[in-house]
Amino acid sequence: AQSVTQPDIHITVSEGASLELRCNYSYGATPYLFWYVQSPGQGLQLLLKYFSGDTLVQGIKGFEAEFKRSQSSFNLRKPSVHWSDAAEYFCAVAAPNAGNMLTFGGGTRLMVKP
Amino acid sequence: DAMVIQNPRYQVTQFGKPVTLSCSQTLNHNVMYWYQQKSSQAPKLLFHYYDKDFNNEADTPDNFQSRRPNTSFCFLDIRSPGLGDAAMYLCATSKNQGNEQFFGPGTRLTVL
Repeated sequence: AQSVTQPDIHITVSEGASLELRCNYSYGATPYLFWYVQSPGQGLQLLLKYFSGDTLVQGIKGFEAEFKRSQSSFNLRKPSVHWSDAAEYFCAVAAPNAGNMLTFGGGTRLMVKP
Repeated sequence: DAMVIQNPRYQVTQFGKPVTLSCSQTLNHNVMYWYQQKSSQAPKLLFHYYDKDFNNEADTPDNFQSRRPNTSFCFLDIRSPGLGDAAMYLCATSKNQGNEQFFGPGTRLTVL
């Protein structure tokens, strides 16, 4: 079965600084990969997804992620963080040969210092 | 705008008193999902419908049931809520499995 690890439970960055959130997955082939963001008390919003093709994907709100097959990683990046980016971020994978159900990582809570 | 709607946003029930949470969608997606999310945790899939086919996760308690009377609506029934069932319940939809899922805002359930 597939699994997802987000090694950082909490991250604090200063506004305007760059951001990288780590995501590692375990799966025998290339899964579908997603990053979602969740503001307090809200549902999840899709930031970006990777199915195939170009390994650097652009998402909404200035986020991007890079799929690295050799490292089984799909890290999320943003060059300059805004205070409104403070939220919980979830990486998720869907296994194409296992019903395509989403498996979520444990989440990373991002705090932004003024 | 097409969307996923959950009602109510906040639900308070008493220990053991049945409760129903509602989800509707205007996306015309054929797959609908229910997730349970406890504080500071990732969403946990309870079950999903692929069209009318119901698929229960192996570790979903029998206390949780679901109904999907038509494409647009899906209900989560908790027959006898316990204190441990207090959580955020998220509904999501997708066009076929494996595609991106669109989430509703969630219903926060409190059990007294």
